[in-house]
Amino acid sequence: GQNIDQPTEMTATEGAIVQINCTYQTSGFNGLFWYQQHAGEAPTFLSYNVLDGLEEKGRFSSFLSRSKGYSYLLLKELQMKDSASYLCAVRTGMNTGFQKLVFGTGTRLLVSP
Amino acid sequence: KAGVTQTPRYLIKTRGQQVTLSCSPISGHRSVSWYQQTPGQGLQFLFEYFSETQRNKGNFPGRFSGRQFSNSRSEMNVSTLELGDSALYLCASSRGTGFATNEKLFFGSGTQLSVL
Repeated sequence: GQNIDQPTEMTATEGAIVQINCTYQTSGFNGLFWYQQHAGEAPTFLSYNVLDGLEEKGRFSSFLSRSKGYSYLLLKELQMKDSASYLCAVRTGMNTGFQKLVFGTGTRLLVSP
Repeated sequence: KAGVTQTPRYLIKTRGQQVTLSCSPISGHRSVSWYQQTPGQGLQFLFEYFSETQRNKGNFPGRFSGRQFSNSRSEMNVSTLELGDSALYLCASSRGTGFATNEKLFFGSGTQLSVL
């Protein structure tokens, strides 16, 4: 089966650091994505990991451990605009061009002043 | 470069009716995927089209169908609507060739369907 778990909701303060965890058990693994989705808007791409380790991109970093089926998204220097849902998604299937993503239910992050 | 465009933005239907949603992918993208998003289930994969062919399908009943045209635009149809079909329907596009392992999906803002 396909199972992706992430916390439902998190709160943090402006300027702080927050880590959003994601664990997965999927049949097949071909990369892990993080998307950000503001209420009423389209999900937008944040990061991609296919090898173990940390990928850093500005205030956002993402980590992957394939052996543990675990990833996290790290957000530094939080801003009010970071209040959004963060979606963890695993790409399954063969690398034939077909893009099927299995999503977690998302983590709603609320940043307060 | 224009993003993924979905129309209409909002739809209200009653049980038993059918509905057609439209998606225009980013220019040059040949793959279009459809996802259903609900608060409890998150995003669930419906199906994916590439060059007018359905390449894979999720675990949804046959009432959900789709097609893709030669210009890569796609439509999704839901027949005999049920209350549980109320959801945000998201379309996503990508090049779909698979040559870039980090190829990502670009999402539209979705169609919010309410079934009364």
